[in-house]
Amino acid sequence: DIVMTQTPLSSPVTLGQPASISCRSSQSLVHSDGNTYLTWLQQRPGQPPRLLIYKISSRFSGVPDRFSGSGAGTDFTLKISRVEAEDVGVYYCMQATQFPNTFGQGTKLEIK
Amino acid sequence: QLQLQESGPGVVKPSETLSLTCTVSGGSFSSGSYYWGWIRQPPGKGLEWIGSIHSSGSTYYNPSLKSRVTISVDTSKNQFSLNLSSVTAADTAVYYCARFDCWGQGTLVTVSS
Repeated sequence: DIVMTQTPLSSPVTLGQPASISCRSSQSLVHSDGNTYLTWLQQRPGQPPRLLIYKISSRFSGVPDRFSGSGAGTDFTLKISRVEAEDVGVYYCMQATQFPNTFGQGTKLEIK
Repeated sequence: QLQLQESGPGVVKPSETLSLTCTVSGGSFSSGSYYWGWIRQPPGKGLEWIGSIHSSGSTYYNPSLKSRVTISVDTSKNQFSLNLSSVTAADTAVYYCARFDCWGQGTLVTVSS
């Protein structure tokens, strides 16, 4: 199984400041079709997960442009340019390149 | 707009089979090439992928659960289902059905006698 490791596990951020979450996979996430199926999900308190970013850097419909994804191979990053109160929650990276699909442990974003 | 809704018992007895159904609305299970999955989240913990079924009908399971899991589809009802046998307290979780871009609200299943 591909192991997904997120850092940090907790991120206190001041409103209006940037935030960054790292996700590292135990092996390359490049699929044989050339795509890299690395996804970022947001889970607000009491809510189901919601898709933010797919295939490393494609922002899903309706996701604010302050969210961006980058990376390649085994190292990926989610960045929030200016944190807003509604961004509080847990962020997960997930790989769908190989079965079983696997998730990172989650990073809890909270406001200082 | 695509929507997914889980349904099934909220309590299951130990050693019995957990059965959940995901109803797809605003779209068709069979259209396009998509994976439709089940994911669970124990209270206060992270996400665990249980398995997926492709729109072609092919299934893929988490090896850690494979001996106990069956995912099937009823295209006439636009539903896909999860069966998890021989449940224990460790299977207590919120169960989500999802396509990569859309998640259901989740349903809490508690394993208790």
